Amino acid sequence: QVQLQESGPGLVKPSGTLSLTCAVSGGSISSSNWWSWIRQPPGKGLEWIGEIYHSGSTNYNPSLKSRVTISVDKSKNQFSLKLSSVTAADTAVYYCASGYSSSWWYWGQGTLVTVSS
Amino acid sequence: QSALTQPASVSGSPGQSITISCTGTSSDVGGYNYVSWYQQHPGKAPKLMIYDVSNRPSGVSNRFSGSKSGNTASLTISGLQAEDEADYYCSSYTSSSTHYVFGTGTKVTVL
Repeated sequence: QVQLQESGPGLVKPSGTLSLTCAVSGGSISSSNWWSWIRQPPGKGLEWIGEIYHSGSTNYNPSLKSRVTISVDKSKNQFSLKLSSVTAADTAVYYCASGYSSSWWYWGQGTLVTVSS
Repeated sequence: QSALTQPASVSGSPGQSITISCTGTSSDVGGYNYVSWYQQHPGKAPKLMIYDVSNRPSGVSNRFSGSKSGNTASLTISGLQAEDEADYYCSSYTSSSTHYVFGTGTKVTVL
């Protein structure tokens, strides 16, 4: 059973860069799954941010594409998210998730990132 | 790419059946059999309940079923139980550059 665990700062200053890592256990990041980041602003719905395959191939939500970078570290069995030029609108619970068939079967517990000075 | 449209809330009494709709377009729900449904309890991560329109992952109760007609997908919960009270989100693959789109979310209340 694949397990995912997000880690990273819970507070980021406006105009700064949000950086999160998702550690994968119980499975290999080199499997045939895609590895995604999804966020949820407080009291609101889910938004897909982007995904990466172990080969390094990525897909991003066009609304965030200019600010997002997702990378994979196969040696550490983890993948990461960087979101630049953040504003208060980027305050959200950030989830890492994985799956196939355009579905997310495995989810991290989520981590709240607040953008504030 | 706009979010898929779901009713804001649906309620039912224990033992009853309820259905949540998820309306999109021919570019997403109507064009692909890649609709999934997620259950989210407060403060918890979403949980996959249905994938590929109507398939249940192992361990998900058979009280949950999915279907699709045209541009609208549906999630039916039969034999409603108190533990089913949660938010539910649909999701679909989309041919737009967005790749995936979520629904607006539905709060299910067990009366």
